Amino acid sequence: GQNIDQPTEMTATEGAIVQINCTYQTSGFNGLFWYQQHAGEAPTFLSYNVLDGLEEKGRFSSFLSRSKGYSYLLLKELQMKDSASYLCAVRFTPGYALNFGKGTSLLVTP
Amino acid sequence: DVKVTQSSRYLVKRTGEKVFLECVQDMDHENMFWYRQDPGLGLRLIYFSYDVKMKEKGDIPEGYSVSREKKERFSLILESASTNQTSMYLCASSNKDRSLGYTEAFFGQGTRLTVV
Repeated sequence: GQNIDQPTEMTATEGAIVQINCTYQTSGFNGLFWYQQHAGEAPTFLSYNVLDGLEEKGRFSSFLSRSKGYSYLLLKELQMKDSASYLCAVRFTPGYALNFGKGTSLLVTP
Repeated sequence: DVKVTQSSRYLVKRTGEKVFLECVQDMDHENMFWYRQDPGLGLRLIYFSYDVKMKEKGDIPEGYSVSREKKERFSLILESASTNQTSMYLCASSNKDRSLGYTEAFFGQGTRLTVV
């Protein structure tokens, strides 16, 4: 992959806010995706950013800074069901394939 | 609802066997992908296809081949299975329609392959 980095593990408390960071190489950048994956299940799409700024979708928001090669996924009002892996994926030109980071395993505790 | 269906959830094969993993999508997507997912390594792209009979190598194509004879079906072939190909295999598809602004990928449930 193209050096897509995210933390391996994070722990947060139910009801709190957590921010999961992702950095990537900026050359050829053409869109960033966040996916959620529960153990034993398929990844499911959460959000997409291609322009700088914040995209909000309910309890989840995603931010992008193209010049810094940086994104974060913000999860508010954490629930136990948010315990999952969160995958940062970047599309580079040319093409449609997604390049994934290694994923961040989030544990939400009571 | 978009559906990407992989033919098996679990497979156990012997070293040296030829293995076929099948994937079918029902959304008329042009793009199809095969990834493998391993602990600590994340999802890695094996092969992809943007059209019927077209294929491109991803990051780790060695030991694999693919076939796309029909738009909805993308097959991954392990020519001679080896123990280091024990993994979770995930198929995905996406649209090529640029007017949507983005082309999220939809994933199948995965096939957990064990090579003994």
